[in-house]
Amino acid sequence: QKEVEQDPGPLSVPEGAIVSLNCTYSNSAFQYFMWYRQYSRKGPELLMYTYSSGNKEDGRFTAQVDKSSKYISLFIRDSQPSDSATYLCAMRRPSGSARQLTFGSGTQLTVLP
Amino acid sequence: DVKVTQSSRYLVKRTGEKVFLECVQDMDHENMFWYRQDPGLGLRLIYFSYDVKMKEKGDIPEGYSVSREKKERFSLILESASTNQTSMYLCASSSGGTGGYGYTFGSGTRLTVV
Repeated sequence: QKEVEQDPGPLSVPEGAIVSLNCTYSNSAFQYFMWYRQYSRKGPELLMYTYSSGNKEDGRFTAQVDKSSKYISLFIRDSQPSDSATYLCAMRRPSGSARQLTFGSGTQLTVLP
Repeated sequence: DVKVTQSSRYLVKRTGEKVFLECVQDMDHENMFWYRQDPGLGLRLIYFSYDVKMKEKGDIPEGYSVSREKKERFSLILESASTNQTSMYLCASSSGGTGGYGYTFGSGTRLTVV
């Protein structure tokens, strides 16, 4: 079983819809949680990060972490065609030798005009 | 603007060739990583380095080696390329310590081995 599970999609929504992207994980040691966006033929770019549980909002994007359920979400409000990309969740332990991130496999999102 | 630069966007090599993928970062980051990305498998860690001349194996190191002679440069070497190494290769870097701010990625090298 993978440490991080992410529905690969593809997910297709109309412009203006609210999008919900999700990941589940099995390792309770994870404390830092991130979302990356990857456009076609590009490298991933950091979109949002959160520490431990709670919500974080940045413009149209909200990241949510529920550590009790080992579940993280990214919400996109008023989605735009420019949001069409693959979204990867990532997480890591707080310290020590495990400075590398563990990634989900990514969800491909298409926002239709 | 901070950058991770990968030397080639597209590369075609023959089976058995020795292949070098170069990555340079200008952020003075301690940590550097090499991933490969395949459909349905996501990002898989090949090797990483926390300091100059240091390297550690990731999840799939077989068939690969790395070199980090300078802080800003991290090279991935395919000792004898095989068709199952056809993939997108991504280099990333991050600062040290316990911060959770994640990686800066390069644009990737799409390698085809024929």
